[in-house]
Amino acid sequence: EPEVTQTPSHQVTQMGQEVILRCVPISNHLYFYWYRQILGQKVEFLVSFYNNEISEKSEIFDDQFSVERPDGSNFTLKIRSTKLEDSAMYFCASRGTGWSYTFGSGTRLTVV
Amino acid sequence: GENVEQHPSTLSVQEGDSAVIKCTYSDSASNYFPWYKQELGKGPQLIIDIRSNVGEKKDQRIAVTLNKTAKHFSLHITETQPEDSAVYFCAASTVTGKLIFGQGTTLQVKP
Repeated sequence: EPEVTQTPSHQVTQMGQEVILRCVPISNHLYFYWYRQILGQKVEFLVSFYNNEISEKSEIFDDQFSVERPDGSNFTLKIRSTKLEDSAMYFCASRGTGWSYTFGSGTRLTVV
Repeated sequence: GENVEQHPSTLSVQEGDSAVIKCTYSDSASNYFPWYKQELGKGPQLIIDIRSNVGEKKDQRIAVTLNKTAKHFSLHITETQPEDSAVYFCAASTVTGKLIFGQGTTLQVKP
């Protein structure tokens, strides 16, 4: 069964540093998403990406965040200057023409 | 604004009993309602979903019901097994395609 692959599984970074979280969505999917989950809380929408541009973003997704699909297979989330409160699990997801999402296993980001 | 409320936050049942988790949503335009199971350290795994033109859907021991008028939908797990123990999330789509998640229910099935 096709999978969404995320790397790394765990990233520790110092406050103020830039991080890039990587995702390989399912190859024939058209819509790409990033969600995050702070420990013990609900999964929250960050951003959606379609046709090589952001289609929607949440209030969380401020100027410190950016997304790219640089080569037609990878989908990345960059946080420019990490803060302690950015510590969370970050999930990439993709979907095709239907409604069904496939989520990756996540990257646990720890900002120290 | 868009919101999904999920109850209960924790649920403990004996093996073999049924478990029911309920969600309400606020956006009347929502038309897709998935349920996810999340095990420790893993991403959400889709277990069942329902579209707004259907009132009920069943897949073996799992069923979902939807009441569009009341904006309620529920997950029913029958004959629970210890391996059903996990965190379960409901979600509702918006017209833009994003998912709004409930707060999650920690289900514990005692052997």
